[in-house]
Amino acid sequence: GESVGLHLPTLSVQEGDNSIINCAYSNSASDYFIWYKQESGKGPQFIIDIRSNMDKRQGQRVTVLLNKTVKHLSLQIAATQPGDSAVYFCAENMYPGGGNKLTFGTGTQLKVEL
Amino acid sequence: KAGVTQTPRYLIKTRGQQVTLSCSPISGHRSVSWYQQTPGQGLQFLFEYFSETQRNKGNFPGRFSGRQFSNSRSEMNVSTLELGDSALYLCASSFVSGGEADTQYFGPGTRLTVL
Repeated sequence: GESVGLHLPTLSVQEGDNSIINCAYSNSASDYFIWYKQESGKGPQFIIDIRSNMDKRQGQRVTVLLNKTVKHLSLQIAATQPGDSAVYFCAENMYPGGGNKLTFGTGTQLKVEL
Repeated sequence: KAGVTQTPRYLIKTRGQQVTLSCSPISGHRSVSWYQQTPGQGLQFLFEYFSETQRNKGNFPGRFSGRQFSNSRSEMNVSTLELGDSALYLCASSFVSGGEADTQYFGPGTRLTVL
């Protein structure tokens, strides 16, 4: 039979509000974390990253927070705009010694309402 | 600087056939990784190539293979296609700084449909 698709949690926010997207990661040895944005029909687009020796990093309108104690990552988007509507993925790198092998979360659908 | 390019963008094959997908990384990037994206399994790592060698590998059967050329361009091949191989195949490239993970930048993907 058909495979069931992953259930994507949805976050609906009003234009101009702040958005917070959360992610739990799996490996306490991961030392590099990235947030990607994926619009329909496109590949994931890099938003912001953070290494395990930091707990906060800021970009333009975005902030990533890392809590290693509870293995939690969050992405904050300030003054959310309609163009921010997309699926957001967190990813962790499972090879602290070098090399690239990202493990992705299931994603969160962000819907911005006008 | 041009982004990661993938060809073809769309492909339709039938069960049992094989397929080759191509990826050109961002200029100066030496690592190329491949991912499979499906509604049921999400984004899953296939393998990574660096300096023409497979550096990391995911949990996919041997029907999935790849290679990297001296100019860092990469191809992946899927043999004996199955219906479940229908997916968006994404390529990502990164600059290798040495000693730590690097930011991966993705291409638009190749949409493979197996009939």
